[in-house]
Amino acid sequence: DAKTTQPTSMDCAEGRAANLPCNHSTISGNEYVYWYRQIHSQGPQYIIHGLKNNETNEMASLIITEDRKSSTLILPHATLRDTAVYYCITTAGSSNTGKLIFGQGTTLQVKP
Amino acid sequence: GAVVSQHPSWVICKSGTSVKIECRSLDFQATTMFWYRQFPKQSLMLMATSNEGSKATYEQGVEKDKFLINHASLTLSTLTVTSAHPEDSSFYICSASGAGYNSPLHFGNGTRLTVT
Repeated sequence: DAKTTQPTSMDCAEGRAANLPCNHSTISGNEYVYWYRQIHSQGPQYIIHGLKNNETNEMASLIITEDRKSSTLILPHATLRDTAVYYCITTAGSSNTGKLIFGQGTTLQVKP
Repeated sequence: GAVVSQHPSWVICKSGTSVKIECRSLDFQATTMFWYRQFPKQSLMLMATSNEGSKATYEQGVEKDKFLINHASLTLSTLTVTSAHPEDSSFYICSASGAGYNSPLHFGNGTRLTVT
């Protein structure tokens, strides 16, 4: 079973920041937080991952709370193409050779 | 970045026939690949872990004799759905870890299987 909890759905206005929360209260010390998204009828796309420090790349920022029990994915300027299902997954290992167990994710709808 | 390619992207077959799906890592070697299945409006479900040069590891409830996995090289894993039935119609997706330390899993674009 997935070890994370995410809201089922969220809306965001185009051009605004999208903040997607994730609870992972049972996360272990060696587990990373990964974010993937899946656009309809495509394979999941890697977004970002982190252990305890906040991370930023060209796609998004990841904010992890100090106790590591929750995190937030931030898409700074959402576009219509960001409409997708976003999955927050915890798994051991930074190289992520372990299997990923997907929950139901958050369906983000970006509206014009 | 690491690219995972699946072929075919979609396939229609008749009930009782077998279908083979290929998963290739195009610019890196993958000792481990993963196969997922996704039904409409549901999340991805892990089916099995494919290990190069050894037998695949199947998740609970997945029939190993029905879903044959072969990982004969470091860049290719195949999933064969044997004696397919309409209930096997689904979206099949593979993934592999990219080269190098701290490299995440990358996914193929999936194969849509329809069994008539």
